[in-house]
Amino acid sequence: KAGVTQTPRYLIKTRGQQVTLSCSPISGHRSVSWYQQTPGQGLQFLFEYFSETQRNKGNFPGRFSGRQFSNSRSEMNVSTLELGDSALYLCASSSIAGGFDDEQFFGPGTRLTVL
Amino acid sequence: GENVEQHPSTLSVQEGDSAVIKCTYSDSASNYFPWYKQELGKRPQLIIDIRSNVGEKKDQRIAVTLNKTAKHFSLHITETQPEDSAVYFCAVSVEYGNKLVFGAGTILRVKS
Repeated sequence: KAGVTQTPRYLIKTRGQQVTLSCSPISGHRSVSWYQQTPGQGLQFLFEYFSETQRNKGNFPGRFSGRQFSNSRSEMNVSTLELGDSALYLCASSSIAGGFDDEQFFGPGTRLTVL
Repeated sequence: GENVEQHPSTLSVQEGDSAVIKCTYSDSASNYFPWYKQELGKRPQLIIDIRSNVGEKKDQRIAVTLNKTAKHFSLHITETQPEDSAVYFCAVSVEYGNKLVFGAGTILRVKS
């Protein structure tokens, strides 16, 4: 079974621009969670989508948003990029049955650099 | 919100020795506690997890123990090997769904 995939793998943007990242979960998984990883703040939860609905949200500003499609693929968008948004963005998929506290499997991440 | 503290931040051991990493958490309602290993430039990989209805779980050289009363859980790696060198993260599930709060990570170095 194919693992979690993320595109693009690397991205360079300038301040003020916006960016869209994509995540394809493991086949059959219905939940996609997004995390931001930085050396200073570690791994921080952004939001979770399950069956096209946002089920959980972390403490990030409204510039960070996401959505999920009917095939469970998810996108996250960051508008008005700031230098501090430079990070590795990871998505994780889980939940065949639709429960919670499920095993989460991470994608390879998208490395975003904001200049 | 949930706070997860992880210790130590770095750990150096000799090949063949054991390594122990400990995490404490604050939300007594949490029921799921996974551990991830992240090698340089790679994705976090789930290595073991434990749920609140058990106190210990073992998978070959790796074990996790959970003390719900004291709100701490630990990762034990026995007979360490150089390929165990990586950053290890503990995590705690919070709220409803699949939201994980992570510890700050432990850099494990296994010297041969």
